[in-house]
Amino acid sequence: SQQGEEDPQALSIQEGENATMNCSYKTSINNLQWYRQNSGRGLVHLILIRSNEREKHSGRLRVTLDTSKKSSSLLITASRAADTASYFCATDARTNAGKSTFGDGTTLTVKP
Amino acid sequence: NAGVTQTPKFQVLKTGQSMTLQCAQDMNHNSMYWYRQDPGMGLRLIYYSASEGTTDKGEVPNGYNVSRLNKREFSLRLESAAPSQTSVYFCASSVPGLASYTGELFFGEGSRLTVL
Repeated sequence: SQQGEEDPQALSIQEGENATMNCSYKTSINNLQWYRQNSGRGLVHLILIRSNEREKHSGRLRVTLDTSKKSSSLLITASRAADTASYFCATDARTNAGKSTFGDGTTLTVKP
Repeated sequence: NAGVTQTPKFQVLKTGQSMTLQCAQDMNHNSMYWYRQDPGMGLRLIYYSASEGTTDKGEVPNGYNVSRLNKREFSLRLESAAPSQTSVYFCASSVPGLASYTGELFFGEGSRLTVL
């Protein structure tokens, strides 16, 4: 069973707009990670946020974590056509530590 | 620095055939993983190895076996392939050698397997 679930499944925006995608999970976690996957490629790590952290930034990316709601969000600001990809959250559950589980992803399309 | 290398990139099998997917990493990572990704879905963990000499089942281990040959290499074997095993397989590695948490995962480019 999937621990993390992304929402929305698909998102289409114009270049320059912000993109927000969400991840919900079911059990307590050690950390949560976000990954990007370009079509036909492997996954690339974007950012890791630990359970005792509430927000992290990396360039145009901002990740928040609300452990009380068991949810996280990924914000991509000033999106570019090159941001077109699928985005996945991965959770490292405390009861299943060391075995990150992935959601089904959000497919982001950024139109030039 | 090649990172994580998987071979082969593409493979077509007939039902009942066997094959081994190879994975090697050159980052001196302790942990290695095999995931499968079905169309439009996320990754599901097949097996993982927290350190050389140890392996553990993931979410979908049935029909697969693994070998952690040494610190660099982690192979995945399909003994008798079935159409349900048609998927894209990803190998990944990460630094931690502990079963207590997952660090940043570094992925290979995937092996696309079709079972007829």
